[in-house]
Amino acid sequence: SSELTQDPAVSVALGETVRITCQGDSLRIYFASWYQQKPGQAPVLVMYGKNNRPSGISDRFSGSNSGYTTSLTITGAQAEDEADYYCSSRDSNHVIFGGGTKLTVL
Amino acid sequence: QVQLQESGPGLVKPSQTLSLTCTVSGASITSGSYYWSWIRQPAGKGLEWIGRIHTRGSTDYNPSLKSRVIISLDTSKSQFSLTLSSVTAADTAVYYCARGDTTVNMIWFHPWGQGTLVTVSS
Repeated sequence: SSELTQDPAVSVALGETVRITCQGDSLRIYFASWYQQKPGQAPVLVMYGKNNRPSGISDRFSGSNSGYTTSLTITGAQAEDEADYYCSSRDSNHVIFGGGTKLTVL
Repeated sequence: QVQLQESGPGLVKPSQTLSLTCTVSGASITSGSYYWSWIRQPAGKGLEWIGRIHTRGSTDYNPSLKSRVIISLDTSKSQFSLTLSSVTAADTAVYYCARGDTTVNMIWFHPWGQGTLVTVSS
């Protein structure tokens, strides 16, 4: 089955813009979804599809796709954005997750 | 507002069967076209999809777990359940239930339960 690859860790200065990427064969066919997970908490959906934000998610978050890569961009990163971020997609009748990216806001 | 809540034993002995239930509130488990799903996360590691059951009862499982997993639906109690047999220490994880929404070319999980820790140990 396919895999989704994410950078293990990314850092961003407070107020700056950061892009978290996810690569995989399945992304040629399927759109991804993105989840934010803070320590000790359940994941929270922050983005899905081309660029769809669930209700209540800050418009600092945006999504983009190109070929085998999907990206989650945080514009003007805030301290509360520090978390683990996971991408996910369909893979035929299954679901796969990326290994996660730990975002540090400096 | 849909809410999910996991429940079940926090400790399971090796070789035995892990059983968890997810109770859905705020919406009917039979309405719409959703995939009621189980996802787990070992301590310090990433998310792993276990499987799902559709509102109409069809199931799909992670190929790596398929031989040991059963997911079922109890519409009368607005619950869906996970059974994982022949557990080992590698099955120790926080187990989440989540509602999967889907179109032809994507799936997303929202909302999630708070998660429940299951430890496999004698």
